[in-house]
Amino acid sequence: AQRVTQPEKLLSVFKGAPVELKCNYSYSGSPELFWYVQYSRQRLQLLLRHISRESIKGFTADLNKGETSFHLKKPFAQEEDSAMYYCALSGESGANSKLTFGKGITLSVRP
Amino acid sequence: DTGVSQDPRHKITKRGQNVTFRCDPISEHNRLYWYRQTLGQGPEFLTYFQNEAQLEKSRLLSDRFSAERPKGSFSTLEIQRTEQGDSAMYLCASTKRGSSYNEQFFGPGTRLTVL
Repeated sequence: AQRVTQPEKLLSVFKGAPVELKCNYSYSGSPELFWYVQYSRQRLQLLLRHISRESIKGFTADLNKGETSFHLKKPFAQEEDSAMYYCALSGESGANSKLTFGKGITLSVRP
Repeated sequence: DTGVSQDPRHKITKRGQNVTFRCDPISEHNRLYWYRQTLGQGPEFLTYFQNEAQLEKSRLLSDRFSAERPKGSFSTLEIQRTEQGDSAMYLCASTKRGSSYNEQFFGPGTRLTVL
């Protein structure tokens, strides 16, 4: 069974502080990992995916297969980063691509 | 707007009534997903279609739930004899099989309240 764990519900930081949103997963195989974000009154949207190894809006995430983790990091948080963040997993590309989500974490960036 | 659309955005119904939701995916997307999200939880997978074929259903999808995607375009999700536990946000997402990555595009959701 595939499972995604986000151990914290809320992270509150001041503007300019570093951010790390934790995500651990369970999957027997080679999963695809994603971070989705939902800003206030907006729909869920993809932030980044591990396979592309890109930085989006200053966020990065590295897949650590040994620790089965995919933590989201940003060195200097901005107020506009305040949102709900979900870590998600799907099976190997080409297989069933349904997403399994974590419970999400609210990031609050204070001025 | 060429994104995923859902209708209605909100639905309030009485227990025992039937409800139907509609999802219109991005036009060239051949895969369509339904998820359900309750308060404090992430979205949970319900079912998905590739073109008109329903390829997987979650055990969350009881026999009161049925989904269709005639002609491989829009999809409907029907809940019969609604229960208070069905109150949730119902999300639709679409993607294009064969794309280099599995990015699912989500609709705004339909919020169901069962009284």
